[in-house]
Amino acid sequence: NAGVMQNPRHLVRRRGQEARLRCSPMKGHSHVYWYRQLPEEGLKFMVYLQKENIIDESGMPKERFSAEFPKEGPSILRIQQVVRGDSAAYFCASSPPYRRGEQYFGPGTRLTVT
Amino acid sequence: RKEVEQDPGPFNVPEGATVAFNCTYSNSASQSFFWYRQDCRKEPKLLMSVYSSGNEDGRFTAQLNRASQYISLLIRDSKLSDSATYLCVVSDDMRFGAGTRLTVKP
Repeated sequence: NAGVMQNPRHLVRRRGQEARLRCSPMKGHSHVYWYRQLPEEGLKFMVYLQKENIIDESGMPKERFSAEFPKEGPSILRIQQVVRGDSAAYFCASSPPYRRGEQYFGPGTRLTVT
Repeated sequence: RKEVEQDPGPFNVPEGATVAFNCTYSNSASQSFFWYRQDCRKEPKLLMSVYSSGNEDGRFTAQLNRASQYISLLIRDSKLSDSATYLCVVSDDMRFGAGTRLTVKP
């Protein structure tokens, strides 16, 4: 049973470009969460999705950031017009239904904006 | 007051020591609590759930104090491999603490 998969593992973008981060949850998991972690800081919740639904996006910046989890395919976190402050590790996690706290994390995507 | 607060440490302890971390939370209605472990530059991994009655898994014991709104993690007989950052999470709000860094030294 493959774990949570994220790609790419490392992503370099110049200011103003778009970044697309992908996450495939564990088999049987229908809940996906995205977190951001700045260097030497804790995890910050961004968004919680189920298939085709955004359940909680209270942690998402109001502009430039969006997330989706389509019926088919991975969840995507999209950052438009990246700025240097977007440089961080972005972790995706998935959980079984009704057990939100039992999350399994992917290896993360390290985004560097130059 | 932060929603979930942890002492960042670092806690530097010798092998074999007993060490405890606390994590306070602000939402008194919170129902679910967990401890995660994160190694340097790696993803967090679920360590254990925190039940109302407390729970133990080998050298690790987690407890919940609802009256004072904190959870705790106790590690007995520390091993070098326990060196990591320990994160508490209040599942209802999806809020992680900033983590407590533990270094176990020979």
